[in-house]
This record gives sequence, C-alpha cells and structure tokens, in this order.
Amino acid sequence: EVQLVESGGDLVQPGRSLRLSCTASGFSFGDYALSWFRQAPGKGLERLGHIRSTPTGGTTDYAASVKGRFTISRDDSKTIAYLQMNSLKTEDTAIYYCARGAYRFEFWGQGTLVTVSS
Amino acid sequence: QSALTQPASVSGSPGQSITISCTGTSSDVGGYNSVSWYQQYPGKAPKLMIYDVSNRPSGVSHRFSGSKSGNTASLTISGLQAEDEADYYCASFASGDTLGVFGGGTKLTVL
Repeated sequence: EVQLVESGGDLVQPGRSLRLSCTASGFSFGDYALSWFRQAPGKGLERLGHIRSTPTGGTTDYAASVKGRFTISRDDSKTIAYLQMNSLKTEDTAIYYCARGAYRFEFWGQGTLVTVSS
Repeated sequence: QSALTQPASVSGSPGQSITISCTGTSSDVGGYNSVSWYQQYPGKAPKLMIYDVSNRPSGVSHRFSGSKSGNTASLTISGLQAEDEADYYCASFASGDTLGVFGGGTKLTVL
C-alpha cells in the first residue's frame, strides 16, 4: 500500500526556518517524482514545486512564490522527501501536502500544519 | 489568479447531473491530454478522480467522468449524491510552466 506521511509542521516565528519531511512507503521511491503543495486557510491548493525521480536527474522546479526561499530535496535511502522553508512569512501559514508524481497526483499525504506567527 | 478558470461554485440536487468546467489555453488544457481532477473534503487531502482527461483511477465511481473540448475540460458527476459535496480542482500539464497549472477550485453543493 502506497503511503505518504508528512511531518515537521509547527508554530514558528516570522523569519525563521522549518524543514518538513514526507516519508514514503509501498513503492519504489527513487523512481517517482515528489511534489509539495500547500493550502492556506479557506484557500485553494497551491503547487510549490517538485523534485524529479532519481533516474531522470532528481532536479527541482519551484513556484515563483517560493523560489529562492524553499528547497526540495530527497533521500532515496530513507525514502523521504524534504521541504526546507527559510525566511518564513505569515502568509506561509498553511497545511502542507506532499504527493507522488509531477503532473498526476494519485497519492497524497494527510498534510502537516505550519503556522507562522509572532 | 489561477491559471485555469473554474466556476467558484456549482450546485445540484440528489440524482441530478452536474458539470464543472475548467478553462485554459492551447498551451495547457487545449494542447495536451493531461488534465486531471481532484476531489477534496474539508480538512482532508485531495483525491485523484480523473486523469488524462477521461480516465478513472481504480476505485473511483463510474458516476465521475471527464471530457475535453478545445481549451475547456469538464468533470461530470451523474446521479449526484450527498457524499459528492466537496471542492473540486482541475490541473493540466502546461508547455509554459514546468509545474503545470491548477484551477482555483469549485465548491460543489448538493442541495
């Protein structure tokens, strides 16, 4: 059974950093791209970026809204994808989801809440 | 503003059919058969309902169907049920955006 579990969400002050993890199981992790999304309270889904599968280079792409502040990485040996978030702003407050895939997202995690507030 | 345009809300009565539209351009919806639809209940993760315009993943009810005409994709739900009340999002591969494009979401209310 494919499972994705996000963790690392927390209450943080503006300007601080936070790293989220997406722990995967049930599939050949390295063969798939992983994507990160977020959903602010009462808002729609926002795609943040993705990291390609290892055989295709493991490269990353980011949304303009987070490029330069957020970094996606992966550790295939641990089957974990990471979302490093720096210089957090109050508007980064959201539920963060990871999903398997780059353009079709068949499996999603349950989400982890990040609250940025002083 | 989202790259794909969806109506903010649609509604229907149990048993009826409803259609949610998703309008893009020839660089995304119109140019590729890579449209997908997601259902999301409040506080829950999205669920893939349709991929590649009209394909249903295993386990998704046959009441859900997808189609495309020109730059507009559509999700049709037939035999509307109370459990279909949720938010629905469309997404598409896009030549001008390495992340693809998403719609802003449509809230379906079952009357």
